[in-house]
Amino acid sequence: AQTVTQSQPEMSVQEAETVTLSCTYDTSESDYYLFWYKQPPSRQMILVIRQEAYKQQNATENRFSVNFQKAAKSFSLKISDSQLGDAAMYFCAYRSFQGAQKLVFGQGTRLTINP
Amino acid sequence: GAVVSQHPSRVICKSGTSVKIECRSLDFQATTMFWYRQFPKQSLMLMATSNEGSKATYEQGVEKDKFLINHASLTLSTLTVTSAHPEDSSFYICSATRGGGTYEQYFGPGTRLTVT
Repeated sequence: AQTVTQSQPEMSVQEAETVTLSCTYDTSESDYYLFWYKQPPSRQMILVIRQEAYKQQNATENRFSVNFQKAAKSFSLKISDSQLGDAAMYFCAYRSFQGAQKLVFGQGTRLTINP
Repeated sequence: GAVVSQHPSRVICKSGTSVKIECRSLDFQATTMFWYRQFPKQSLMLMATSNEGSKATYEQGVEKDKFLINHASLTLSTLTVTSAHPEDSSFYICSATRGGGTYEQYFGPGTRLTVT
C-alpha cells in the first residue's frame, strides 16, 4: 500500500517570502499522480498543483511550484511571494495512475503567514 | 468548473438516531464518488468509494452497516450514519470524479456532524 508522509506539522513564513513544504511517499508503482491540496479555514479542499510521475518537468502554477524527485520519492511544494491568503492546511496526496482512483493523503502541514 | 455540493452543511442529531448526508455533482456526471472523514486537526481518511449503480467499496476498518452509502445516480451519492453515537461526530467530506481517465477529484464543502 502507498503511504504519504509530511514531516512538518506546522510552518510559518513572513509575507512576501518563500516557503517550502516537504512531502515524501512510498510506492512500488512507476506511474502515478501527486497532488498538493489546500484546506483553508472554510474546510473546502482546493487543488493547488498536480504532477504526473512520468513527466520529468516540475509542475508550476503561478506562485506555486514543486520539486519532484522520483528516485527519492520526494514531492515538495514551494510557495513564492507568500500572501496572507495562503494561510491554510496543505495536504500532499498520491493517486495511482490506473485502477482505484482514491487519494492517499499525508498528515498535513499548517502554514501560517506572518504579516 | 466542476461543482460538488453537500447537504446539510451542519447537522446535530441525538444519539441512536440516523442521519443522511447528500453529495451532489451539480454540473457534471460523477462516475465515482468518495467519502472521507476528517477529525479535528487531522488529515482526510477515506471511508469508501462508490460507483454509480454498484455497491460501495469500504476501506478496512469502516463499518459497512453503520455507514451506508448509496450512489443511485450519476449526480447523487448519500451517506447515512445509522444509530449515531457521539464518537461518530466528525467532519464528513465527499468528492467526485468525472471518470474517463481524468485525474481530478472535486471536493464538496463538507458536513459537520455532531451527535449529542
